[in-house]
Amino acid sequence: AQSVTQLGSHVSVSEGALVLLRCNYSSSVPPYLFWYVQYPNQGLQLLLKYTSAATLVKGINGFEAEFKKSETSFHLTKPSAHMSDAAEYFCAVSHYGGSQGNLIFGKGTKLSVKP
Amino acid sequence: NAGVTQTPKFQVLKTGQSMTLQCAQDMNHEYMSWYRQDPGMGLRLIHYSVGAGITDQGEVPNGYNVSRSTTEDFPLRLLSAAPSQTSVYFCASSTVVRANEAFFGQGTRLTVV
Repeated sequence: AQSVTQLGSHVSVSEGALVLLRCNYSSSVPPYLFWYVQYPNQGLQLLLKYTSAATLVKGINGFEAEFKKSETSFHLTKPSAHMSDAAEYFCAVSHYGGSQGNLIFGKGTKLSVKP
Repeated sequence: NAGVTQTPKFQVLKTGQSMTLQCAQDMNHEYMSWYRQDPGMGLRLIHYSVGAGITDQGEVPNGYNVSRSTTEDFPLRLLSAAPSQTSVYFCASSTVVRANEAFFGQGTRLTVV
């Protein structure tokens, strides 16, 4: 069965500092991996996705994530945090087709950005 | 292009009442799914569908019913509401053509009193 673990339910950084949100997955076959962002009282918006092409994936708002098969990780980074990055971030995994086409989500990491 | 449309946005129910959350998508996606979001729990899959006429249970299906008579619509029925079903509900659609990237509705905040 596939699963996702996000380390740290809350992460706090200063404005301008590096953002690092951790995600590890469990999967017996090559996965599709996603990062979504949720701003307060809103739905989920896709930041980026990995689909077995390039291992370094660039997304919106300056975020990027690197797929590391040996570490079963897909950590999200941004070189310089902005106040507008404060939100909750979700990592998710799925596979091609059938019942495994659904996204399985981690529990989320709430990012706070201090001025 | 509306994407995924969920109604209502807010709902208060009394224990034991039933209701239907509506979800419609206009992207011709084969997958549709319902999630519930609770603090500290992430999003948990309730039911999903891989095409019209085909539905299956997710992680937390008890107390909910679904049907998929058309590609576009995927309503979620609460049979007899309980306080434990107080949550935010999200409908999503996706397609294998886009590597299962899920498109979400804006959510329904449901309170059961």
